[in-house]
Amino acid sequence: GDSVTQMEGPVTLSEEAFLTINCTYTATGYPSLFWYVQYPGEGLQLLLKATKADDKGSNKGFEATYRKETTSFHLEKGSVQVSDSAVYFCALSKGNQGGKLIFGQGTELSVKP
Amino acid sequence: NAGVTQTPKFRVLKTGQSMTLLCAQDMNHEYMYWYRQDPGMGLRLIHYSVGEGTTAKGEVPDGYNVSRLKKQNFLLGLESAAPSQTSVYFCASGRQSPYGYTFGSGTRLTVV
Repeated sequence: GDSVTQMEGPVTLSEEAFLTINCTYTATGYPSLFWYVQYPGEGLQLLLKATKADDKGSNKGFEATYRKETTSFHLEKGSVQVSDSAVYFCALSKGNQGGKLIFGQGTELSVKP
Repeated sequence: NAGVTQTPKFRVLKTGQSMTLLCAQDMNHEYMYWYRQDPGMGLRLIHYSVGEGTTAKGEVPDGYNVSRLKKQNFLLGLESAAPSQTSVYFCASGRQSPYGYTFGSGTRLTVV
């Protein structure tokens, strides 16, 4: 079945460091790919998305490119801030399955001043 | 701008008790979902609905029932709570992919 695999956390970085969180997927067809962020004590918020191969999603300085050849959707940010500390979830969705999202296990990011 | 509202936010149940979690959305979304979040396991889909009056099983449906009598509401029921159902429950609503979802803020349920 379809699945999403993320790099394990927690990831601890210093402020202004470069961030990469790896995400790979297994799916038939042409899924849409998403990154969600969950701040402590809150629900998930959509961070960015990409709907087809080579699309780049971006938001709040975060970027991810849909790479069909490597089945990847890695999340990057050039300079993290303390306020970016959260849990990040990679997910996929296929339109012919009721729009269900399949999530990775989440990666906790902690940014130290 | 209520979005997706979940009630209650916290609940403690005794084993064998029943309860209903309510999810309400005001965005006229067709699709609604119930997920549970457990440490190290991400979010797992319990049940979902693609329209009023329809429901379907997700990845982990056992021990739960759902109803979607009105488009804006999606109810999750636990008929006989078990400690394994201790979790944080999230409701979400959305349109067909690729728009993604809007999540509620969660219900933290403890079964003792």
